Amino acid sequence: QSALTQPASVSGSPGQSIAMSCTGTSSDVGRYNYVSWYQQHPGKAPKVVIYDVNKRPSGVSDRFSGSKSGNTASLTISGLQAEDEADYYCNSYTTTSTWVFGGGTKLTVL
Amino acid sequence: QVQLQESGPGLVNPSEALSLTCAVSGYSITNGFFWGWIRQPPGKGLEWIATIHHRGTTYYNPSLKSRVTISLDTSKNQISLKLTSGTAADTAVYYCARHGEGIFDFWGQGTLVSVPS
Repeated sequence: QSALTQPASVSGSPGQSIAMSCTGTSSDVGRYNYVSWYQQHPGKAPKVVIYDVNKRPSGVSDRFSGSKSGNTASLTISGLQAEDEADYYCNSYTTTSTWVFGGGTKLTVL
Repeated sequence: QVQLQESGPGLVNPSEALSLTCAVSGYSITNGFFWGWIRQPPGKGLEWIATIHHRGTTYYNPSLKSRVTISLDTSKNQISLKLTSGTAADTAVYYCARHGEGIFDFWGQGTLVSVPS
């Protein structure tokens, strides 16, 4: 299985909104609403910020939102804050009953 | 609160097997959910390795399937992973996590395993 495709990096200034993409295929992202997003700070374990495409776990800021169109999912962070600077990974369930991560996107807050 | 704690050998000789355990507290692994292993080579991204359903069905990354075995130890409330024929490419931080189809909700802190070249 191939990794989902994410841009290597995105950046934004404090207070701005940014979006990052996660492109898969009709066998994963496009097939199920089982797309999730993880935030990872250096040296830390990943933390889920969005699951089932657009649901937010308890305790995650409402500045994080998710969506999907066809084979591409997106994570949007509004009101960018310095603490949002991290690596972000998407994940999807697949038609072969496996899970696949994206390559990761490094978010820089300027 | 669900907590997961990985443990492993730290250093594995090339061609030898790598064995990891994940101790779960705050939740019985037989009550529900999937239990998975994910790894992250230094400076690189996350790679899903394998998952076991609480009823015992196993799922493997096709690229690793021939070398990986995942299992449950219900008496110890632990999940185990064995990866045979280790190479330098297996050097990574290994995480265990509880998950559903669409969410990996609880993660361990990770354990670094090094396989020298």
